[in-house]
Amino acid sequence: EDKVVQSPLSLVVHEGDTVTLNCSYEVTNFRSLLWYKQEKKAPTFLFMLTSSGIEKKSGRLSSILDKKELFSILNITATQTGDSAVYLCAVAWAPGAGSYQLTFGKGTKLSVIP
Amino acid sequence: EPEVTQTPSHQVTQMGQEVILRCVPISNHLYFYWYRQILGQKVEFLVSFYNNEISEKSEIFDDQFSVERPDGSNFTLKIRSTKLEDSAMYFCASRTGTSTAEQYFGPGTRLTVT
Repeated sequence: EDKVVQSPLSLVVHEGDTVTLNCSYEVTNFRSLLWYKQEKKAPTFLFMLTSSGIEKKSGRLSSILDKKELFSILNITATQTGDSAVYLCAVAWAPGAGSYQLTFGKGTKLSVIP
Repeated sequence: EPEVTQTPSHQVTQMGQEVILRCVPISNHLYFYWYRQILGQKVEFLVSFYNNEISEKSEIFDDQFSVERPDGSNFTLKIRSTKLEDSAMYFCASRTGTSTAEQYFGPGTRLTVT
């Protein structure tokens, strides 16, 4: 069975801290790994990683993929209360030509306290 | 910035009733998806749709479910005879074409079956 495992499941930090969220996967026909931020409702797209070892960066957030060890990390530096959310890792895999399906992990709930 | 929209935001229905959840994907996107998230659980894939037909569906997507693109903009999910266990947040998502797995999610419809 395909699996996407995130850790930790929840995390409480103080503003200004740096956090690292982990995602490991075991999926056939892997294509990409995606990170989403889910606050109240819809998952909001953060990053898509396809190649190993190439860091993607957006402001205080960065992410990297290791396709040999089958994991990804999402780093958030200088956390702010607005970073409080559930961070979802999803793996895109291809059941057929041209089609992609996402399998999600359970998410990491990040709480940033002032 | 273009976004996926969904209506209604919240739907309450009685067990056994039919419901239709509506989505307007991003206009130049070609692939459409429905996911669901039961409260406290992970986001689960239901169905993908391309070129006016279902391309993949999960075990959850049984005969009670159907999808349709009735015109050039709407994408609907119908549940024929709702059960209590259908209560969940239903997300619509879309993506552009074959070369990328990036999916963009709508705000969701919270379905409550009583």
